[in-house]
Amino acid sequence: QQPVQSPQAVILREGEDAVINCSSSKALYSVHWYRQKHGEAPVFLMILLKGGEQKGHDKISASFNEKKQQSSLYLTASQLSYSGTYFCGTEGSGGSNYKLTFGKGTLLTVNP
Amino acid sequence: DTGVSQDPRHKITKRGQNVTFRCDPISEHNRLYWYRQTLGQGPEFLTYFQNEAQLEKSRLLSDRFSAERPKGSFSTLEIQRTEQGDSAMYLCASSGKRFPTYEQYFGPGTRLTVT
Repeated sequence: QQPVQSPQAVILREGEDAVINCSSSKALYSVHWYRQKHGEAPVFLMILLKGGEQKGHDKISASFNEKKQQSSLYLTASQLSYSGTYFCGTEGSGGSNYKLTFGKGTLLTVNP
Repeated sequence: DTGVSQDPRHKITKRGQNVTFRCDPISEHNRLYWYRQTLGQGPEFLTYFQNEAQLEKSRLLSDRFSAERPKGSFSTLEIQRTEQGDSAMYLCASSGKRFPTYEQYFGPGTRLTVT
């Protein structure tokens, strides 16, 4: 079951904040976040495991609500380099540890 | 760490021809994955190797697709009798053994155009 991402697209001015959500209809073991720029490979951002932990580096952080099967990616004080399409990839609660099911992505545009 | 590499980066072929793509994972990674991505969509899982063993193949993958990973190093993905619907970006990713997380690192992809 493909996770649902929202919003589909967001436009920011440099320095503004954004939240991208990822929801699944099935129980999850982990959520993986990636950013992909046009014509390039997806770049790994972070993994969150069930347990509701929150992770972050620089000004990008994420949370995982296991009970709601939802994850959110938080981008604060956005920079031009944050522009791209953000994908969440989910792994089922069986902990297959290999197959990710990706959402359709959220296109983030950061303008000067 | 040189990252995941894929070859070729672009392939244009005529319908009905066979094509083969190569993926070289990060050297210490024992898991290798193939995904397919079309415009406006996220990567879609195709198949997965642990060392040289192919452990799962997506039901979406027809018999025209085959993948190998001899000796647990590089992998090849072959598509026989290509169809226009096969046009997509084919992504390879690899991951290591660190428990309990297995970050997948993607290569630059091979863009296939079937005319």
